[in-house]
Amino acid sequence: KNQVEQSPQSLIILEGKNCTLQCNYTVSPFSNLRWYKQDTGRGPVSLTIMTFSENTKSNGRYTATLDADTKQSSLHITASQLSDSASYICVVAGVQAGTALIFGKGTTLSVSS
Amino acid sequence: EAQVTQNPRYLITVTGKKLTVTCSQNMNHEYMSWYRQDPGLGLRQIYYSMNVEVTDKGDVPEGYKVSRKEKRNFPLILESPSPNQTSLYFCASSFTAGVSSYEQYFGPGTRLTVT
Repeated sequence: KNQVEQSPQSLIILEGKNCTLQCNYTVSPFSNLRWYKQDTGRGPVSLTIMTFSENTKSNGRYTATLDADTKQSSLHITASQLSDSASYICVVAGVQAGTALIFGKGTTLSVSS
Repeated sequence: EAQVTQNPRYLITVTGKKLTVTCSQNMNHEYMSWYRQDPGLGLRQIYYSMNVEVTDKGDVPEGYKVSRKEKRNFPLILESPSPNQTSLYFCASSFTAGVSSYEQYFGPGTRLTVT
């Protein structure tokens, strides 16, 4: 069964610290992997999209890595800010059209001052 | 500005009273989709549309209907809402289906409460 598992479920860090969120998936065959940021009560916003041939991709202070062999991805946030407090969702696309996006349940990050 | 809009943003209704949530995108996207988001369950796909007049069921289609008569609009219809359809709903669109690397844009969400 195609699944996307994220860890930890929630995380609290101090402002200025770094953190890493994990995503493991069993989707096969695999097309691409996405990380989204979702502020409370708002729609998800794309951070990165990586195909199977890409190992790392950055978007400002966000860096995503992908290991297609072990089916693992991580999202590293550098020098966290209060505005980073949100849910981070890992989404994997298979190759079947239509219902191709498999969503993880997200990691809730709280950045405190 | 490229965007996906949804209306209404908030809705409280009673069981059995038909309602429609509208979704519109201005990016000429072929693919549109509806999701619901519930605590602890994440985002689940309700229905999707690959193009005009082409729609198909997602993971949780029971109790919902959709139509795609125009490329820009993809309304979600609840013929007889029930309390278990209380949820946060998102419409999304992308140039093509998720198998490509095209970004999917989400609307701002519609919070529906059915009493």
